[in-house]
Amino acid sequence: KAGVTQTPRYLIKTRGQQVTLSCSPISGHRSVSWYQQTPGQGLQFLFEYFSETQRNKGNFPGRFSGRQFSNSRSEMNVSTLELGDSALYLCASSIDPPNDTQYFGPGTRLTVL
Amino acid sequence: DQQVKQNSPSLSVQEGRISILNCDYTNSMFDYFLWYKKYPAEGPTFLISISSIKDKNEDGRFTVFLNKSAKHLSLHIVPSQPGDSAVYFCAACRSGGGGSQGNLIFGKGTKLSVKP
Repeated sequence: KAGVTQTPRYLIKTRGQQVTLSCSPISGHRSVSWYQQTPGQGLQFLFEYFSETQRNKGNFPGRFSGRQFSNSRSEMNVSTLELGDSALYLCASSIDPPNDTQYFGPGTRLTVL
Repeated sequence: DQQVKQNSPSLSVQEGRISILNCDYTNSMFDYFLWYKKYPAEGPTFLISISSIKDKNEDGRFTVFLNKSAKHLSLHIVPSQPGDSAVYFCAACRSGGGGSQGNLIFGKGTKLSVKP
């Protein structure tokens, strides 16, 4: 089976712009979660989608949003980018339930200038 | 408030010896624990997991031990190999019988260096 794929792998934006990142889960996986990794904060949970519905949300501002399509593919959007949004954005998928093991994609490296 | 803690930012071990990575958690509702290995600029790779109904799970050179009363888990790698050099993350969640709700809580990671 193909693993989790994320596009694009690298992105450079300027402050105030918006960005959309894409994630394709492992075939058969219905749950998709998004995480932000920064050197100072480590890996932090953004949100999780299951059957096109946001099921859980982390402690991030409303500028961070996402959605899931009927084929389980997911996108996350960040509006009004700030310098502090520079990070590695990781997507993970899992079968759910009962297997809670999440498998991660390679990430999208976002740099905000 | 850090719910999952990896107190050793780094660990250096000789090839062939045992590597022991430790992780502590504070939330007694966590019932599923995972270890991931991560190389720079890549996503975490799943290594091994353990449910709270067990106290040990083994997969090849990797063994995870869970001590619920101490809220502590550890990952043992035996024997350690240079290719094991990476950052190891401990993660925890509440599975709740209906899925984890996607919210893995990660520790800050321990950088393991295995020297030849």
